[in-house]
Amino acid sequence: DAGVIQSPRHEVTEMGQEVTLRCKPISGHDYLFWYRQTMMRGLELLIYFNNNVPIDDSGMPEDRFSAKMPNASFSTLKIQPSEPRDSAVYFCASSFVGGRETQYFGPGTRLLVL
Amino acid sequence: KNQVEQSPQSLIILEGKNCTLQCNYTVSPFSNLRWYKQDTGRGPVSLTIMTFSENTKSNGRYTATLDADTKQSSLHITASQLSDSASYICVVSSNYGGSQGNLIFGKGTKLSVKP
Repeated sequence: DAGVIQSPRHEVTEMGQEVTLRCKPISGHDYLFWYRQTMMRGLELLIYFNNNVPIDDSGMPEDRFSAKMPNASFSTLKIQPSEPRDSAVYFCASSFVGGRETQYFGPGTRLLVL
Repeated sequence: KNQVEQSPQSLIILEGKNCTLQCNYTVSPFSNLRWYKQDTGRGPVSLTIMTFSENTKSNGRYTATLDADTKQSSLHITASQLSDSASYICVVSSNYGGSQGNLIFGKGTKLSVKP
């Protein structure tokens, strides 16, 4: 398996633009997580899905952020409109029941909002 | 409030030397504690996981310890190598109800191994 795949790896955009981050989890994994990482706050859980259903989105900063998982092999995190304070590295991770909660992280998307 | 504190924030050591990273937590209920290694520009990778009843766990040159009474964990790296340069993140699970989302992350210790 290729591991968790994220795209794009880098994104530079201007304030106010819409940003869409994409994730393909490891095949067979039934949990998918979106994280944001900054120097100041470290890793923060934004939202996670179980069997494509959002379970906890309490970490989503505000209504500008939305996430979907239309099927078991694809998820998106959308920011609309983007702001400079959204600049961070966004990670997607996946895991499976019985895996002792070990999460497998993707390489991340480095987002810069100007 | 559930918190995970790591120390030091950063550390520089010479290749071949040993080092110990610390993690203190105030998480309840406690399910398990995990150490992740994050290389620059990459996602975290799990090194070890320990439950309440486990005091020590090794993974090659990495040895993690857990004292559930004092709520402290350490990660000891033996005979460091240049490839050990990374951030090490302590993560504590408060897995009540079977939810996988109750993970509390430390901010990490940035380790630099110099030749």
